[in-house]
Amino acid sequence: DGGITQSPKYLFRKEGQNVTLSCEQNLNHDAMYWYRQDPGQGLRLIYYSQIVNDFQKGDIAEGYSVSREKKESFPLTVTSAQKNPTAFYLCASSVAGSSYEQYFGPGTRLTVT
Amino acid sequence: GQQVMQIPQYQHVQEGEDFTTYCNSSTTLSNIQWYKQRPGGHPVFLIQLVKSGEVKKQKRLTFQFGEAKKNSSLHITATQTTDVGTYFCAGPRGYGQNFVFGPGTRLSVLP
Repeated sequence: DGGITQSPKYLFRKEGQNVTLSCEQNLNHDAMYWYRQDPGQGLRLIYYSQIVNDFQKGDIAEGYSVSREKKESFPLTVTSAQKNPTAFYLCASSVAGSSYEQYFGPGTRLTVT
Repeated sequence: GQQVMQIPQYQHVQEGEDFTTYCNSSTTLSNIQWYKQRPGGHPVFLIQLVKSGEVKKQKRLTFQFGEAKKNSSLHITATQTTDVGTYFCAGPRGYGQNFVFGPGTRLSVLP
């Protein structure tokens, strides 16, 4: 059963703590993406990776970090430097290039208090 | 930088009425994609348009790509409650390695 998974679905953290969101795909996709969605808002790109061991900053990378050590995995760390971390985080994957659809995971809703 | 806008931001319709959302890019696009996100869910790919003036249909949904490849529209005929959600358009950035999403149009359908 191919797809993209994110865990956990809901995550609660205290302010000042780093937190890592998981994203795994078994679609054999080279490209992976992290988006942030705020209530009533569109999708804003945080980081993306076109190939293993390489990734680029998106529009709102400050306060976030990623790694891409395996093709299947693209974890996102929300650091304490991110001023407004409470949001819905979506991971996606696709065949590399701009002509292919993105497959989204179910998302992680992060609440920081 | 490249911008993708959508109008309207919200649309409330009575079940059975038609609905249209418009997407406009500040730059010419090589292709445009449409996604639907149900309330509480994640975006799901609907379609991709590539050719200038292209029109594609999926049952009650009609997608159009403008002649100049800078705008697109999604039209739903005779809306149903299952059409509820937010519709996003997305276009590749200039160098093509990722996408710019529009802010979305949230559709509510009253039974």
